[in-house]
Amino acid sequence: DQQVKQNSPSLSVQEGRISILNCDYTNSMFDYFLWYKKYPAEGPTFLISISSIKDKNEDGRFTVFLNKSAKHLSLHIVPSQPGDSAVYFCAAGGTGFQKLVFGTGTRLLVSP
Amino acid sequence: KAGVTQTPRYLIKTRGQQVTLSCSPISGHRSVSWYQQTPGQGLQFLFEYFSETQRNKGNFPGRFSGRQFSNSRSEMNVSTLELGDSALYLCASSLGGGLAGVETQYFGPGTRLLVL
Repeated sequence: DQQVKQNSPSLSVQEGRISILNCDYTNSMFDYFLWYKKYPAEGPTFLISISSIKDKNEDGRFTVFLNKSAKHLSLHIVPSQPGDSAVYFCAAGGTGFQKLVFGTGTRLLVSP
Repeated sequence: KAGVTQTPRYLIKTRGQQVTLSCSPISGHRSVSWYQQTPGQGLQFLFEYFSETQRNKGNFPGRFSGRQFSNSRSEMNVSTLELGDSALYLCASSLGGGLAGVETQYFGPGTRLLVL
């Protein structure tokens, strides 16, 4: 049972435009969410997180939005740059969870 | 601070052999988690160690095992390798003060294992 889902395996965006990556979860007990970026042949790099007491968290060009009623979170990258081309994983966890649960990833391609 | 390091980076083995992978966490981190990544499957959780004890385990067969040393370094062993074990194996460390599900994990570069 996939508790964290990234339904779009890939996304293509032009440089300078907004990239929106989506993630859905099924377990309403999750209260901590993270986004990681992964380049080929490297490990995932932590990008940004959000706890369920907030509905938005911003860090530079990256903003994560959390909609608890819809069990949905999204990562916005503005403006997108070619260096943002990577696979993005969302992950969920929280109080009482012994591990983070990861989605299957979305490959973002930002073209010049 | 140095990041999470994993050795070796690449490994080729044949079916039936066994393999040991090593992970050194960020200094001060006491929790080490291991993941298997295969195309289309995302990151599958193998196990987590904290203070030399396995604190949590994923749904992998007993051929996959691990351990953690007193300096928080961890090793993962896979015995009787199968073709399907070919994957990128990632380790991640976190402070470990709380359960692994509430902490940000920091990943190493991974070990790419190819089983022929």
